[in-house]
Amino acid sequence: RKEVEQDPGPFNVPEGATVAFNCTYSNSASQSFFWYRQDCRKEPKLLMSVYSSGNEDGRFTAQLNRASQYISLLIRDSKLSDSATYLCVVTGGNNRLAFGKGNQVVVIP
Amino acid sequence: EAQVTQNPRYLITVTGKKLTVTCSQNMNHEYMSWYRQDPGLGLRQIYYSMNVEVTDKGDVPEGYKVSRKEKRNFPLILESPSPNQTSLYFCASSLRDDQETQYFGPGTRLLVL
Repeated sequence: RKEVEQDPGPFNVPEGATVAFNCTYSNSASQSFFWYRQDCRKEPKLLMSVYSSGNEDGRFTAQLNRASQYISLLIRDSKLSDSATYLCVVTGGNNRLAFGKGNQVVVIP
Repeated sequence: EAQVTQNPRYLITVTGKKLTVTCSQNMNHEYMSWYRQDPGLGLRQIYYSMNVEVTDKGDVPEGYKVSRKEKRNFPLILESPSPNQTSLYFCASSLRDDQETQYFGPGTRLLVL
C-alpha cells in the first residue's frame, strides 16, 4: 500500500459549487498532516495544516479521521482561482514527509 | 522578503556533465530538503538536512549528492547526470524539521540529453 493515496481527478467543479476529496495514508503512527496547493509548474504552498479536531479557513475545511486513516479537504463556493492541484502531505515512515500525487481541481465558469 | 531561492531555474545539459543546483534560504531555517517531481509519481524526497553538516538520504538519493556547509545553503550536485534525472526539482526549508510547514523554492526544470 502506498504511503499516501489520492484520486488524481480531474475534479471538474462548476463555479460556486462545493467539492470535496479524501486522501488515505498507510502509516497509523503519522502525526502531521497538511494540504498544500500547487499551481501548474509552480512550487507547492501550504494551504492548511490538518488538526485532530478539524479546522476551517474561510471556504476551506479540513478533517482528519485517524480511525480510517484519511484526511479530507472541502472547498465551498468554488472560485475560478481555486483551480489547482491539492497535495495531501503526511508524516510517512522514518519521520519524513510523504506526498500524495495530488487532486487536480478545475473550476468551470 | 522571506524566501527560498534556486538557481538555475531552467537547465539543459548533456549526459555526464557535472552540474550543481543551488538553494538558499534567508529564514534561518534548520531543516532543508530536495525533492524531484515527475508526472504520475508526485514529489519524492532526494536528500534532507537537519542542520549544518548533517545530511541524510531521502527516498531517491541515487545519482545525487548534497552538502550543508552553511545554514542558509543546500546545493544539489549531479556528478554524472543521466536522462532519467530529467525532472522538476524543488528545494524546501522549514524551521526545525519535516513536521512543520515547508517553504519551497520556485523549482528548477532540468533536461538531460
